[in-house]
Amino acid sequence: NAGVTQTPKFRILKIGQSMTLQCTQDMNHNYMYWYRQDPGMGLKLIYYSVGAGITDKGEVPNGYNVSRSTTEDFPLRLELAAPSQTSVYFCASRGLGNQPQHFGDGTRLSIL
Amino acid sequence: GESVGLHLPTLSVQEGDNSIINCAYSNSASDYFIWYKQESGKGPQFIIDIRSNMDKRQGQRVTVLLNKTVKHLSLQIAATQPGDSAVYFCADNQSGAGSYQLTFGKGTKLSVIP
Repeated sequence: NAGVTQTPKFRILKIGQSMTLQCTQDMNHNYMYWYRQDPGMGLKLIYYSVGAGITDKGEVPNGYNVSRSTTEDFPLRLELAAPSQTSVYFCASRGLGNQPQHFGDGTRLSIL
Repeated sequence: GESVGLHLPTLSVQEGDNSIINCAYSNSASDYFIWYKQESGKGPQFIIDIRSNMDKRQGQRVTVLLNKTVKHLSLQIAATQPGDSAVYFCADNQSGAGSYQLTFGKGTKLSVIP
């Protein structure tokens, strides 16, 4: 059971480039989340989804987009990369009810 | 919005001693609390959770205590081992959010001295 898988693990982008961070889970979880974690800080919610076809903004959505066409996949897109988006990005998923979120190992993104 | 915060950013303990990591929350509507462990280069790993209708919950070598009167949460690790060295986050769920969004504190870095 792989859990939550994120790809790529590392990426360096130039300012203005675009990319998609991939996230997939094999636990049939309805809820999925994208967070960013800056050095020495906690996690900030970017976007979340409560099921296929449904997405909503979190605390820091500007500069990002998401889609949820299937239960398993929840990609995060950066359209015009900016240095402020240098961070570690974590994807998480959760089942129904009061359950903990399960996290992937993150994508480390640097924008130069 | 209201957020979860931690009392201490770093904690050093001797191997074999017990560790106590504290967390304060401000939202009286929070009804679900989670502790996560994050090792270097990895994602947060679930340790233990507790609901607001409980005061204490125990796991393997870990205990979470919830004091709703003073809005305080603590994680106790018994017989701390070198493998316990990590950053520990508490997080709370805002009741009524529907999507079960978690609000995370900044974390406490636990260092175990051999």
